[in-house]
Amino acid sequence: AQKVTQAQTEISVVEKEDVTLDCVYETRDTTYYLFWYKQPPSGELVFLIRRNSFDEQNEISGRYSWNFQKSTSSFNFTITASQVVDSAVYFCALSEYSSASKIIFGSGTRLSIRP
Amino acid sequence: GAVVSQHPSWVICKSGTSVKIECRSLDFQATTMFWYRQFPKQSLMLMATSNEGSKATYEQGVEKDKFLINHASLTLSTLTVTSAHPEDSSFYICSARDLGRGQGAPDTQYFGPGTRLTVL
Repeated sequence: AQKVTQAQTEISVVEKEDVTLDCVYETRDTTYYLFWYKQPPSGELVFLIRRNSFDEQNEISGRYSWNFQKSTSSFNFTITASQVVDSAVYFCALSEYSSASKIIFGSGTRLSIRP
Repeated sequence: GAVVSQHPSWVICKSGTSVKIECRSLDFQATTMFWYRQFPKQSLMLMATSNEGSKATYEQGVEKDKFLINHASLTLSTLTVTSAHPEDSSFYICSARDLGRGQGAPDTQYFGPGTRLTVL
């Protein structure tokens, strides 16, 4: 069965600090996809990244970076030089190839950036 | 990019009434759509998988007679909450699966903006 664990319920940092959101997943499939979504107060999900299980290369997009390590089943997300606009709930999610694209979400991490 | 819309964006209804929520893929065809429910300060929980032209597949614990799903066309799925009660108040989000006929990477899911249901 697939499972996503985001142990950090809430994180609060001061603006410009770097912050890492942890994500640990469980799956029996060898082919799967990992995602990160941002949910601002408006509620609409904002897609950030999708990574397939065969691509362990880390990715950087502006202030955002992702560290995918299959050995520890982790897919952590780092925001560098955080800004107030980064305040939101962030969800890590998993989709197994064998489960017909069903996406299972972690419990989310509420990130607050203080000015 | 691909867009998924939901209508209405919010709805308030009286207990015992039924509410229909629409999910549309605007610029691609979606043979599969998914319905999620999110209670305040909680995660998104998958309710059901909606397949065009066939019956929906419900997740364990979701009452199929309470949450009726119809996927009558390749661009529209509807969720009807029947005989709604206050405990059904939640944020309902749909997603549509693009198999590559539209924009974006193959087999990408696009999420709608959500519908906030309040049952009085």
